[in-house]
This record gives sequence, structure tokens and C-alpha cells, in this order.
Amino acid sequence: SAVISQKPSRDICQRGTSLTIQCQVDSQVTMMFWYRQQPGQSLTLIATANQGSEATYESGFVIDKFPISRPNLTFSTLTVSNMSPEDSSIYLCSVSLPGQPQHFGDGTRLSIL
Amino acid sequence: AQKVTQAQTEISVVEKEDVTLDCVYETRDTTYYLFWYKQPPSGELVFLIRRNSFDEQNEISGRYSWNFQKSTSSFNFTITASQVVDSAVYFCALSEASRRGSTLGRLYFGRGTQLTVWP
Repeated sequence: SAVISQKPSRDICQRGTSLTIQCQVDSQVTMMFWYRQQPGQSLTLIATANQGSEATYESGFVIDKFPISRPNLTFSTLTVSNMSPEDSSIYLCSVSLPGQPQHFGDGTRLSIL
Repeated sequence: AQKVTQAQTEISVVEKEDVTLDCVYETRDTTYYLFWYKQPPSGELVFLIRRNSFDEQNEISGRYSWNFQKSTSSFNFTITASQVVDSAVYFCALSEASRRGSTLGRLYFGRGTQLTVWP
């Protein structure tokens, strides 16, 4: 199975600032996913990040707010831009390897003041 | 469209009781995968089990067992002799087969069931 390192594990940010979350995988993967989990809620897919192409965003999420980079097959970043208290959530990256279930990073707990 | 319904928002049991978590799904795909994940208070998602749509065999793993029934589109999860450490949010999820070979596509999650096991 894949080992996923996600950084930072938590952060407290000021309103209007931006934060970049990193996701590093110990295997080369084609598909990486970014999910958001608002307090007490389920996980919602933000976007799918494929290496070598633009990320595919789900309805309700836009690139200007959540820009994603995928420079190679083991790394991706998600930026939460111009943050507001509504962005306080856990952000998780996950990867899909052939024949395996999706594996998740430990998540980034983000609080906006 | 894919949809996963976990009708139980919260369940409380006393230690050593058996508990069943319900999951009902909707999909138009003939090939799909079902999952259960556990999210303890620390927040990480722990994979528990995966079933594909062609395998309706029930499975037992220690105190855990799963009942997959395509006829009712259900994939229920039972914990036998529950323990305090089982307290967590449990998510049922559905994935379609990705177009990219054997990798799995995005997951559709249910809203989760908060299980509290009291000593």
C-alpha cells in the first residue's frame, strides 16, 4: 500500500490569507484526489489531480479558490486561497493504486480566525 | 448518479454489544466497488474493507463482518462484541472503476455514522 505524507498536519490562519497543503506519496500514482471535510460532515471531493493535465474540479469548487499543482507522479499541492471561516475544515489527499483501495493522508486540520 | 445513504447518524451501545451499521447505495454502473472506512477522533481515515460488485460473499474478519446484498443495494457492517476503541465515525463509500485501467475512481461517501461505545 502507499504511504502518504501530508503537510502541514494543522494550521491556524488569518482571514484573507492563503495556505498551501502538500501531499507526498512513496509510489508513482496516476490519480490523486483532494477532499474536504467540514466540521461534522462527510467528505466531499474538491478535485482530481492527474499528472500532466489540469485538475478536474467538482461542482462548487473553482480553480481560483483551490488551485492545484501536480508536478510529478508522487507529489501534489492544494492551495486554499483568500480564506474565510467557512474554509475551516480537514483537507485530505488520497491516491488510487491499481487493484488497491484508495489510501488517505492523515489530513490537514485548518482553522480560520 | 452515485449516492450512498447512511441513515443512522449516531449509534450508542454498551461495550460487548453487537452493532450493525447500515449502508444503502445507488449506482447505474454494473462494475463498482464498496468500501467502509473508520475515522477515529484523531481524524485519519482507516480503510476497513472493499468489495466489488461481482462478489456478494459475506466476509468476517475478527469482530467485523460485512453483508453485501445487491438485491437490496445494501452493504451493512456489523461489529461483534463492541469495544470502547471502536468508537469512531464510520463511512460507507462507493467507487466506480476508473477508465484508467484497474485503478479506482473517486469515492462517493455517505454522511457517516458516529458510533459511541460506552464502557
